[in-house]
Amino acid sequence: QSVLTQPPSASGTPGQRVTISCSGSSSNIGRNYVHWYQQVTGAAPKLLISRNDQRPSGVPDRFSGSKSGTSASLAISGLRSEDEADYYCAAWDDSLSGHVVFGGGTKLTVL
Amino acid sequence: EVHLVQSGAEVKKPGESLKISCKGSGYTFANYWIGWVRQMPGKGLEWMGIIYPGDSDTRYSPSFQGQVTISVDKSSSTAYLQWSSLKASDTAMYYCARRGSEFYWYFDLWGRGTLVTVSS
Repeated sequence: QSVLTQPPSASGTPGQRVTISCSGSSSNIGRNYVHWYQQVTGAAPKLLISRNDQRPSGVPDRFSGSKSGTSASLAISGLRSEDEADYYCAAWDDSLSGHVVFGGGTKLTVL
Repeated sequence: EVHLVQSGAEVKKPGESLKISCKGSGYTFANYWIGWVRQMPGKGLEWMGIIYPGDSDTRYSPSFQGQVTISVDKSSSTAYLQWSSLKASDTAMYYCARRGSEFYWYFDLWGRGTLVTVSS
């Protein structure tokens, strides 16, 4: 059972906009930044969004992040076949001397 | 170009010890925390712990405290993850990752992973 809760799956057709949610609590998302990672099958994770809504260099602006209270969302617009991957949210958790927590991951399928 | 290069896949028996490595290049290794992340077969990411090469300050996830040891050799720009007595449940892919900021807890550079298989 992951500390951050994500839907296990999401799907969309090419060109659509999809959103993936991430729910936490006051000890993690409620008081710390949320970061998002993309993991294509068989590859290492890649940083997609940092500090709630910041895109690292090279990440297309089709990807955007937001946070409100103890929840966060990742939005992907203009869906493309290469976006098919697992997506993970993460945040620092202030409980138990502090540690990083991940969501359980969302498998995005491009139909 | 910046890289984290991890050691190769390992096959071990239960009860054996193991130390895997993660070598940084293309940046000042001592200035960035290096974390370890476990991914069990078909499962999600789990943060294990992190070390600061500059002074070897180390923090562990409560779930992994006492189960593994994280260390670093600053002179060779290499971080390590080790087990003293492996269990079948340690079978997983292990990633090292660089913390991208001294203020925020995101990981901007990842190794390709080391697959550890523990089987009798």
